[in-house]
Amino acid sequence: DTEVTQTPKHLVMGMTNKKSLKCEQHMGHRAMYWYKQKAKKPPELMFVYSYEKLSINESVPSRFSPECPNSSLLNLHLHALQPEDSALYLCASSQGKAGGPEQYFGPGTRLTVT
Amino acid sequence: GENVEQHPSTLSVQEGDSAVIKCTYSDSASNYFPWYKQELGKGPQLIIDIRSNVGEKKDQRIAVTLNKTAKHFSLHITETQPEDSAVYFCAARLPGFQKLVFGTGTRLLVSP
Repeated sequence: DTEVTQTPKHLVMGMTNKKSLKCEQHMGHRAMYWYKQKAKKPPELMFVYSYEKLSINESVPSRFSPECPNSSLLNLHLHALQPEDSALYLCASSQGKAGGPEQYFGPGTRLTVT
Repeated sequence: GENVEQHPSTLSVQEGDSAVIKCTYSDSASNYFPWYKQELGKGPQLIIDIRSNVGEKKDQRIAVTLNKTAKHFSLHITETQPEDSAVYFCAARLPGFQKLVFGTGTRLLVSP
């Protein structure tokens, strides 16, 4: 099973709202990722958690705040977003540095900022 | 850092034809090359990958070839079907790094 689940599927939020995106995997993977994908573009890496520690932050604005409560869960907290932050937010997981490099993606959350 | 170029940006074929998508990478140290298929409204799906110690890998109707000297890798789909219509992304990864560097994507349309 290579399933990564994400909730919600769709989210509409105002620029003053606070919301969270959730991601879950039960493959025993120890690396989890957040990507942002704009229309007709490839996924763009935002954050990587490795063994529940933040290992990569691709200079993402602080209005995006990741959290990894345990090895199966990954959250992305959103606050004071801008309309240009509207995009598909994808979560992915992989075995981690000691394992295979294959990354498996979830279905994504379609975010619209109004 | 690594840079990946992907061609063509769009590809239209008739059902039953073959389709080939090509990628070029810049850093000769890259050692892992996955291909993803993304259907409308869905997340990217890993369909095949190849490591730098292998020249070719096949899985039913899809195959990937790697030319390390030229720093090229290609996706080959034979006997295309309408359900192969999607956007395909190639990617490359340097050893010891978790970041995948993606190509710009190819929109494949298979007409019945």
